[in-house]
Amino acid sequence: DAKTTQPPSMDCAEGRAANLPCNHSTISGNEYVYWYRQIHSQGPQYIIHGLKNNETNEMASLIITEDRKSSTLILPHATLRDTAVYYCIVSPLRISGDGGTSYGKLTFGQGTILTVHP
Amino acid sequence: EAGVAQSPRYKIIEKRQSVAFWCNPISGHATLYWYQQILGQGPKLLIQFQNNGVVDDSQLPKDRFSAERLKGVDSTLKIQPAKLEDSAVYLCASSPATGGFSNQPQHFGDGTRLSIL
Repeated sequence: DAKTTQPPSMDCAEGRAANLPCNHSTISGNEYVYWYRQIHSQGPQYIIHGLKNNETNEMASLIITEDRKSSTLILPHATLRDTAVYYCIVSPLRISGDGGTSYGKLTFGQGTILTVHP
Repeated sequence: EAGVAQSPRYKIIEKRQSVAFWCNPISGHATLYWYQQILGQGPKLLIQFQNNGVVDDSQLPKDRFSAERLKGVDSTLKIQPAKLEDSAVYLCASSPATGGFSNQPQHFGDGTRLSIL
């Protein structure tokens, strides 16, 4: 699986946009970019994913560069509740292994700790 | 829609004892995952089930860890005997992914925090 590189930490003022970068220069053609976040003492929460087009949902926007080697997660109006660890993950659609076919395997890195300040 | 349910929420045991965790995935989700998250690290996949069959257990320490998913719904993860380094949060996730190509996201429970004394 392609590896990702994220800054270890970022700060953002409440009400401002938070732009979280991710580098995935070795991404291959069948790998999606996923973003999850993990608030303290909770399990990871799915945010958004994309292949090559920009995507937007009720939580965030995902901007993927044309060469797909990097992406940016945008939280348009950050709130204190958005303080969390944000994980950028690239995952292939399907992996065939000895045990059969594996779908959607996620390999988490260290992520970015986003702190939203009042 | 009810989320992924896990129990217990917390567990404290002594080393060399046994422990089991339970997971009830979102209704209708065919794929179930168990992850281990050590403090300060991202979750690491231990095992993945497709219905009641194992499709990836390459990172499961099989000398002490076991997991099953009878009837393709609920799942249990067991550690026997526990070691100090097993102290972690054990997360269960499920996904609707079934066959062919699927990019369906995983939905996680809040995990079981295991402390080994």
